[in-house]
Amino acid sequence: EAQVTQNPRYLITVTGKKLTVTCSQNMNHEYMSWYRQDPGLGLRQIYYSMNVEVTDKGDVPEGYKVSRKEKRNFPLILESPSPNQTSLYFCASRQQGANTEAFFGQGTRLTVV
Amino acid sequence: SQKIEQNSEALNIQEGKTATLTCNYTNYSPAYLQWYRQDPGRGPVFLLLIRENEKEKRKERLKVTFDTTLKQSLFHITASQPADSATYLCALDRAGGGNKLTFGTGTQLKVEL
Repeated sequence: EAQVTQNPRYLITVTGKKLTVTCSQNMNHEYMSWYRQDPGLGLRQIYYSMNVEVTDKGDVPEGYKVSRKEKRNFPLILESPSPNQTSLYFCASRQQGANTEAFFGQGTRLTVV
Repeated sequence: SQKIEQNSEALNIQEGKTATLTCNYTNYSPAYLQWYRQDPGRGPVFLLLIRENEKEKRKERLKVTFDTTLKQSLFHITASQPADSATYLCALDRAGGGNKLTFGTGTQLKVEL
């Protein structure tokens, strides 16, 4: 089954404690991205990757890092989480090309206290 | 600045009626426009894609129109059912835009018996 898998689904952490949210896709997609979703603000892109070892900032990259060492994996790293990073996070993947659909993971609800 | 607007107020309709959702955009020249469905706490799921040179696209009970002059897309669900209750997101895609999908904030649809 084609899917994007994120882990964990829920995470509560304390300010400043480094964390990683994993994302993996099994569709051999080149393009992967991370979004955060907040009430009234919709989905906002954090980082994206066009292919292995190619990553770039999205609209709200501050406080986040990513890496793309393998095609299937695109982890999101919060080196020093802060309460304003409390949000619902989604990983997505799609084939290259502007006429392709995006596949989303099931989401990670992060709370930073 | 670029803006994508969807009605933030929930749309309540009666079962069997046609639901019509609106997506307006400014300062944007999308080559493609996509619609997604999102259930609470879940990732968005792709529904339909329409190209800039297409006026209308249909899929079962769904119909999408795309007017690049008005800078607007309409999303229709005919013979609506309670199971259609969800939030619907439009997303814009530019040719050569690096695969970036930019999302509206979504409109919540509630179909009542």
